[in-house]
Amino acid sequence: DQQVKQNSPSLSVQEGRISILNCDYTNSMFDYFLWYKKYPAEGPTFLISISSIKDKNEDGRFTVFLNKSAKHLSLHIVPSQPGDSAVYFCAASDMDSNYQLIWGAGTKLIIKP
Amino acid sequence: DTAVSQTPKYLVTQMGNDKSIKCEQNLGHDTMYWYKQDSKKFLKIMFSYNNKELIINETVPNRFSPKSPDKAHLNLHINSLELGDSAVYFCASSQVFPNIQYFGAGTRLSVL
Repeated sequence: DQQVKQNSPSLSVQEGRISILNCDYTNSMFDYFLWYKKYPAEGPTFLISISSIKDKNEDGRFTVFLNKSAKHLSLHIVPSQPGDSAVYFCAASDMDSNYQLIWGAGTKLIIKP
Repeated sequence: DTAVSQTPKYLVTQMGNDKSIKCEQNLGHDTMYWYKQDSKKFLKIMFSYNNKELIINETVPNRFSPKSPDKAHLNLHINSLELGDSAVYFCASSQVFPNIQYFGAGTRLSVL
């Protein structure tokens, strides 16, 4: 039973446009969410996070939105650049589980020139 | 200076052999992890370990064992390797909270 779901295995976006990656979760106890980016033959790298007390967190071109009632978060990348082509993982955690990360399956983002 | 380093990057071995993968972190983190990324690209937690507690994913066969000589190292030992163990293994480290994990580059294990 997947508690964190990324339903789009891949997404293709034109360079310069907005990329929106989505993530749904089922456990209402999750209170901290993270996005990671992974290039081939490398480990995942932390991108941005959000606490459940917020509904938005922004860092440069990256913004994460959290909709707790819908149990949904999204990562917006504006504008998209070729170097953003990677696999993006969503992860969630909660205090009761000692903040162990529960991972989504990932979405492969392809930025077209 | 690499924050989390794991060696080797590639490991090719025969079924039935015993092998180890080493991991070191220089971030001063309290907790280290081992993940397995399978053929479907899922990241599955195998172990998390700090100086107080080892948490084992119950689905991990007991042929896999973590060994931590000190806080900066968590090595993965695998006995009696099987074909299904072929995967990419990632080491990571973090503080307890926020649990922002920093990953090594991965070790691609191929069991023939």
